[in-house]
Amino acid sequence: KNEVEQSPQNLTAQEGEFITINCSYSVGISALHWLQQHPGGGIVSLFMLSSGKKKHGRLIATINIQEKHSSLHITASHPRDSAVYICAGFNFGNEKLTFGTGTRLTIIP
Amino acid sequence: DVKVTQSSRYLVKRTGEKVFLECVQDMDHENMFWYRQDPGLGLRLIYFSYDVKMKEKGDIPEGYSVSREKKERFSLILESASTNQTSMYLCASGSSGSLYEQYFGPGTRLTVT
Repeated sequence: KNEVEQSPQNLTAQEGEFITINCSYSVGISALHWLQQHPGGGIVSLFMLSSGKKKHGRLIATINIQEKHSSLHITASHPRDSAVYICAGFNFGNEKLTFGTGTRLTIIP
Repeated sequence: DVKVTQSSRYLVKRTGEKVFLECVQDMDHENMFWYRQDPGLGLRLIYFSYDVKMKEKGDIPEGYSVSREKKERFSLILESASTNQTSMYLCASGSSGSLYEQYFGPGTRLTVT
């Protein structure tokens, strides 16, 4: 079992819909990194968080330490949001970053 | 802005060839990383380096080696490429403060035929 599990694996939605991508992680992981990967490969960092909530434009990331769960939300989704979203958990004990397998998001105009 | 560049976006090599993938970062970062990304498996760490001439094995180092002769440059070497090394290769860099904060390059899609 992977230390970081994402759901769903694939998500298709209409433009304008509110999007939620979930990430669950195991004991030992105490910080989460949300990443975006567009077709072609390049990965961009969206958020790094270890508690609470962060917002950047239409993107919001939350983390619940007790439940070991993080969510990435996109409000007013747009076709340019279509990408693979990856969460990665950091274990400060072994200083290891473990990646989820990604959620492929497709926004239809 | 941090910039991490990789020498090629796409590469096609034959089985048995020696392959060099180069990564350069412009932020004076101490840490540099090489990952491979395969469908359904996520990113997996091949090697990382926390200083010039230093290297540490990651989770899947077999079949690979690395070189870091200058701080800004980290090379991944496939001594004898095999078809199971067909993958997307991603380089990342980060400051010494934390292995957590990493900045990624655009990736190299390697096909070994």
